[in-house]
Amino acid sequence: NAGVMQNPRHLVRRRGQEARLRCSPMKGHSHVYWYRQLPEEGLKFMVYLQKENIIDESGMPKERFSAEFPKEGPSILRIQQVVRGDSAAYFCASSPPNRDIGTQYFGPGTRLLVL
Amino acid sequence: QQQVKQSPQSLIVQKGGISIINCAYENTAFDYFPWYQQFPGKGPALLIAIRPDVSEKKEGRFTISFNKSAKQFSLHIMDSQPGDSATYFCAARRGGGNKLTFGTGTQLKVEL
Repeated sequence: NAGVMQNPRHLVRRRGQEARLRCSPMKGHSHVYWYRQLPEEGLKFMVYLQKENIIDESGMPKERFSAEFPKEGPSILRIQQVVRGDSAAYFCASSPPNRDIGTQYFGPGTRLLVL
Repeated sequence: QQQVKQSPQSLIVQKGGISIINCAYENTAFDYFPWYQQFPGKGPALLIAIRPDVSEKKEGRFTISFNKSAKQFSLHIMDSQPGDSATYFCAARRGGGNKLTFGTGTQLKVEL
């Protein structure tokens, strides 16, 4: 029973490049969440998605960041024209449908370093 | 009003001792309070969670105490072991919502 999978685990980008982070939820889970963790800080909510729908993007920066969860395939967090301040660990979590959706299970994260 | 305050920032406990981490919240709309454990380089792992209709929940060596009137909750780790050394995060979720609001974390070190 695989857990939440994220790839890549580490990503290095130069300023101005694009970063694509992928998340495959646990089997049977249809809710996906993205969080960002800066060094020595807690996790900050970014976006909540269900299949083909963005439910809550209140934590997403207004520019350069986008997320999707297509009908087939993993959820993608996309950061365009990365800047050094985007360097952080990005965690994906998933939760099952029709149950206590407060129970979120996290993946191992993608650590993004912008040079 | 979405903030969750966590203390202490770091904690050193002797093996076999009790580790206590505290969190306080302001938003009375929060209705679900999980604790996560995170090891370096790993994702947070759900440890234990509580709802405000109970004052205490125990799972093995881990206990959550919840004080609804004070808007505080705490994690107690009994018989702390070196393997418990990790960062612990409290979190809260608003009723009807989905996103978790996290505390800033507590780095626990259990010494031999």
